[in-house]
Amino acid sequence: EAGVVQSPRYKIIEKKQPVAFWCNPISGHNTLYWYRQNLGQGPELLIRYENEEAVDDSQLPKDRFSAERLKGVDSTLKIQPAELGDSAVYLCASSGLAGGTYEQYFGPGTRLTVT
Amino acid sequence: QQPVQSPQAVILREGEDAVINCSSSKALYSVHWYRQKHGEAPVFLMILLKGGEQKGHEKISASFNEKKQQSSLYLTASQLSYSGTYFCGTAGSSNTGKLIFGQGTTLQVKP
Repeated sequence: EAGVVQSPRYKIIEKKQPVAFWCNPISGHNTLYWYRQNLGQGPELLIRYENEEAVDDSQLPKDRFSAERLKGVDSTLKIQPAELGDSAVYLCASSGLAGGTYEQYFGPGTRLTVT
Repeated sequence: QQPVQSPQAVILREGEDAVINCSSSKALYSVHWYRQKHGEAPVFLMILLKGGEQKGHEKISASFNEKKQQSSLYLTASQLSYSGTYFCGTAGSSNTGKLIFGQGTTLQVKP
C-alpha cells in the first residue's frame, strides 16, 4: 500500500514569494491534515479536512495561508507571501476512522527555507 | 494545551530499558505515540484509548492512566534502531482526530 505522498521535498524561496505544497493521502483515507513542524518541536496542526470540508482551520494563519482539497483526495497548501518565520517542515498526514480511532500516517514532508 | 513529555532526552546502551512519559492538563480520549528519525516523517507506533487496554508489540509497550491524564511508553532491551525522537499526540475528550503533540523526547541508543 502506498503511503502519503508529498511534493516537493525541499523548497527554497525568497521572502514575499509564493509557495505551494501538494499532498496525496493514502487511498481511502477521508481525513487529511496539514501540520507545520519547527526545528526541535512536535508537529502543529494547521488544518484538518474531512473529505472536502475543512473542519478545523483555527490554527491556520489565514492572512497568508490557504488550503484546498478538491474532490476530497489531493490537497494543496499555499503561502503567499512567505515570511522568514515560515521556514519549517510542512507535513501532510491522513487517516481513516478504523475501529473508532484516527491513526494518522505522515508523509515525508516538505522542508521550506525562506531567505 | 500541549502535553508535557519527560525526559527531554535520554542516552542508553543497547539492551537497556527506557520509559518516556506524557502528561496532559486536560481530560484525554486517546494518546498516540510516534517515532521520528532525523529528516524523516513521524512513524506511528501505537494508540491508546480511554477505557482501553495497555498496548504493545515486541519490546515496545505503552500504558494510559485516564485519571492522571498520563501515558507512558516503555522501551525494553533497546536496540540501535530505537534511536530517534518520540512524540506523544493527545486527543481531547471527543473523538475528532485532532491531536496536540508534545515537544518530543530524544532517545539515543549507543552500542
